[in-house]
Amino acid sequence: GQQLNQSPQSMFIQEGEDVSMNCTSSSIFNTWLWYKQDPGEGPVLLIALYKAGELTSNGRLTAQFGITRKDSFLNISASIPSDVGIYFCAGPQAGGFKTIFGAGTRLFVKA
Amino acid sequence: GAVVSQHPSWVICKSGTSVKIECRSLDFQATTMFWYRQFPKQSLMLMATSNEGSKATYEQGVEKDKFLINHASLTLSTLTVTSAHPEDSSFYICSAVGQGYSYNEQFFGPGTRLTVL
Repeated sequence: GQQLNQSPQSMFIQEGEDVSMNCTSSSIFNTWLWYKQDPGEGPVLLIALYKAGELTSNGRLTAQFGITRKDSFLNISASIPSDVGIYFCAGPQAGGFKTIFGAGTRLFVKA
Repeated sequence: GAVVSQHPSWVICKSGTSVKIECRSLDFQATTMFWYRQFPKQSLMLMATSNEGSKATYEQGVEKDKFLINHASLTLSTLTVTSAHPEDSSFYICSAVGQGYSYNEQFFGPGTRLTVL
C-alpha cells in the first residue's frame, strides 16, 4: 500500500538554526499536507500543497510539492523553542477518503 | 474557524468500565469524522471513519463492538470504548472534514488521554 517515509526521525538543533525535513513515497500523491503536533495535543495543519512544484510559505515555514509528486519538504527558518514538536507529512489515499500519515519527524530546539 | 473539540481531555477508569469520548465541530458542519489512536512516539493510526447518519467504517483489526462510534449529527461524533482494559490505554484523537473545506484538510481535536487501571 501507499506509504510516506519521513526523514530524519528526529532532529536536535540550536535556537536560530534553519531546519529541513522531507517526506518521500514510491507512489504519486496529488496533495501533500504538513501537520505539527505539540506534546499532548492533536495535530494542526501547517501547510497544504495541491500542485506539483508548488512552493508555499506560512510565516517561517516553507513547504514544496516535488515535481515528481513523490516527495515534499518542509523548511523552518530561524527556529525558536516553540517549534518543538512532531511534524507529520500526510496525503490522501489513492481512490479513497483516508489520509495517510508519515511516522513523523521529532524536532527538539535548544535555547 | 474550523475548530474541533474533544471531551474529556483525559480520563482514568477501572478495567471493565466503558468510556465515552465526544468530538465536536464547533464552527462548521462535519460531513465526515475520523477517529485515530496514537501510541507514544508513534504516528496516528486510523481506527474508523464516521459519516453523519450512517454506520462507521472500521479499519482492519479494529473491533467494532469494542469501539462503538456514533455520528448522530453534523457536529458531534462519539467513541465509546466498551469494557475497557489496560491495553486500551492510549491517546485518542478525532478529526473532522467539513462543508466548505477541501476534503483533504482534516481538522483535529486536541485528543483524549485514556488510562485504564
